[in-house]
Amino acid sequence: AQKVTQAQTEISVVEKEDVTLDCVYETRDTTYYLFWYKQPPSGELVFLIRRNSFDEQNEISGRYSWNFQKSTSSFNFTITASQVVDSAVYFCALSDNFGNEKLTFGTGTRLTIIP
Amino acid sequence: KAGVTQTPRYLIKTRGQQVTLSCSPISGHRSVSWYQQTPGQGLQFLFEYFSETQRNKGNFPGRFSGRQFSNSRSEMNVSTLELGDSALYLCASSLVGDAGELFFGEGSRLTVL
Repeated sequence: AQKVTQAQTEISVVEKEDVTLDCVYETRDTTYYLFWYKQPPSGELVFLIRRNSFDEQNEISGRYSWNFQKSTSSFNFTITASQVVDSAVYFCALSDNFGNEKLTFGTGTRLTIIP
Repeated sequence: KAGVTQTPRYLIKTRGQQVTLSCSPISGHRSVSWYQQTPGQGLQFLFEYFSETQRNKGNFPGRFSGRQFSNSRSEMNVSTLELGDSALYLCASSLVGDAGELFFGEGSRLTVL
């Protein structure tokens, strides 16, 4: 069975600090996708990134960066120079090897940026 | 480009009733999936429809059902409501349903009394 663990339930940092959100996953599939989604107070989840299991290159997008390490089954997300607008709940998710929309989500990390 | 639209946004039902939730995907998207979000269980996959066919189903009882119409709009139905069905029901659409980017609606918040 697939599982995604986000051990950090809540994190608070002062604005402009860097923050890393941890994600550890379990799967027996050899092919899978990993995702990060952001859920602002309005409720809808917003896609941030998708990573293929065969692509372990780290990715940077502006202030966001992702570190995928297959050896430790981790897919961590770092926000550099955090801003108040980054306050939200962040979810890590895992697809199965069939490449469909059945995602297994972690329990989420509530990030609060203090001005 | 309009996003994913879910109706109603809020609703209150009593135990034993049934409810139908609607989802209009982004124009051109053929895959619609549904998720239930609760404080206790988090986000759980309900089902996915692609071209009017249910392609995948999560571990929910048969009281939860859905369908997709030829215009890709989708509905989900919950019969014989229980208190534990109180949740935010999120609909998501994607272009071809290949584990790509999901576009979520704002959800329908169901309260069962």
